Amino acid sequence: EVQLVESGGGLVQPGGSLRLSCATSGFTFSNYWMNWVRQAPGKGLEWVANIKQDGTEKFYVDSVKGRFTISRDNANSLYLQMNSLRAEDTAVYYCARGPADYYDSSGYHFEEPFDIWGQGTLVTVSS
Amino acid sequence: EIVMTQSPATLSVSPGERATLSCRASQSVSSNLAWVQQKPGQAPRLLMYGASTRATGIPARFSGSGSGTEFTLTISSLQSEDFAVYYCQQYHDWPPYTFGQGTKLEIK
Repeated sequence: EVQLVESGGGLVQPGGSLRLSCATSGFTFSNYWMNWVRQAPGKGLEWVANIKQDGTEKFYVDSVKGRFTISRDNANSLYLQMNSLRAEDTAVYYCARGPADYYDSSGYHFEEPFDIWGQGTLVTVSS
Repeated sequence: EIVMTQSPATLSVSPGERATLSCRASQSVSSNLAWVQQKPGQAPRLLMYGASTRATGIPARFSGSGSGTEFTLTISSLQSEDFAVYYCQQYHDWPPYTFGQGTKLEIK
């Protein structure tokens, strides 16, 4: 079964830092881009950042550039280091899979992004 | 950045009836459009990708159409479990990936 499990959320003061983790299982992690998406209380979905399969490309929404860093490791985990946190960063943070593009014994495969989501972890920035 | 606009913001429909949700992109996204369902307190779930392809396990009462800038999600006969918030999302031109503001589908 494909699973994404986020952790690391909590209450932090403005200006503080937090590191989120997303543990994955049930699929070949190295075939997929990975994303962080957030949802402020009572609001819609906002894409935050993503990272290429090999970690060589990373992209961010403008509002977090210079403050957040996305990373991944070879143990099938995704991370989001959040520094200089602001009240407006308060949200549930989801990790989401995709897209994927890879070759295997049966040929080339492309899979659409955001096909699997984790259950989310709540980050509250408040004094 | 491509702006996604959904209408209506809230749609009230009776169980068993048909629901039609709309999504408009500020510029063409070809068919690189997904629909995501979110129930209260739950994570989002992919319903549709490529504008009209149902994701794994999604029932046939859900259908999607459109290309370019105008898209529609239709639920042919609403079941109780379909009342939720629906978001459209473009993945044609990124970063950033962008979502619409959502349509809340509520019981009439």
